[in-house]
Amino acid sequence: GQQLNQSPQSMFIQEGEDVSMNCTSSSIFNTWLWYKQDPGEGPVLLIALYKAGELTSNGRLTAQFGITRKDSFLNISASIPSDVGIYFCAGQPYYGGSQGNLIFGKGTKLSVKP
Amino acid sequence: KAGVTQTPRYLIKTRGQQVTLSCSPISGHRSVSWYQQTPGQGLQFLFEYFSETQRNKGNFPGRFSGRQFSNSRSEMNVSTLELGDSALYLCASSFVAGGVGANVLTFGAGSRLTVL
Repeated sequence: GQQLNQSPQSMFIQEGEDVSMNCTSSSIFNTWLWYKQDPGEGPVLLIALYKAGELTSNGRLTAQFGITRKDSFLNISASIPSDVGIYFCAGQPYYGGSQGNLIFGKGTKLSVKP
Repeated sequence: KAGVTQTPRYLIKTRGQQVTLSCSPISGHRSVSWYQQTPGQGLQFLFEYFSETQRNKGNFPGRFSGRQFSNSRSEMNVSTLELGDSALYLCASSFVAGGVGANVLTFGAGSRLTVL
C-alpha cells in the first residue's frame, strides 16, 4: 500500500534549538496533518494543511504543504523540554475523485540531548 | 466537551482468545476509525465506520472486525488472537466522513493489548 517516508526517524534536541522534520510521498495528497504523541497517549493534532503551498503556524510550530502536494515539513523553533515526543505526519490520499483514509508516517522521535 | 474514550486501557490475553475493544467518540462525531500501532509498522488503518456502516477497510485479516451502533459508539473485535496482534489499538473520531477536512481525526488514548 501507500507509504509516507518521514525523516529523520529520531533526533536529539537541546533546549533552544530549532527542529525540522519532513514527509514525502510518491503520490498526491489532498490534506497533510501533523500529530504529536506523548507516552501512553493517543496522537494529538498539531497542524492541518489543506492547500498546496499553504504555510500554517501554531505557536512555535510551522508546517507547510508542498507545492507538488507530495511532501510536507514541520519546524519547531526554540525547542523546550515538553517538545519531546513522537511526531507523525499524516496524509489523505486522492484517488481520482474520492478521498482515502489517512496514511501515517512512521514518526520522528524527539529526545533531549544527554 | 469529552474526548474520545477507549476501554479498556490495558488488557492481557493469550493466543487463541478473542478480544473486544470499545470506543465512544466525541459527541456529535459520526465517523469512527480504528488504527493499530506497533513499533515496527507505525499506525496502520484498520477500518472506518460512519452511520453504522463500514466505509473503508484496511489490509487486515478477517479476524479483525468492527461495528458501530446508532449512538456512534464503536467496537472492534479480534478473534483467534496471535502474538503479533500485540499492539496499541487507537480509535479516532471525526465530524463527517469524506471530503476535504473530514479526516482531521481526534484520537483516544488507546487500548494496549498484550497477547501471551
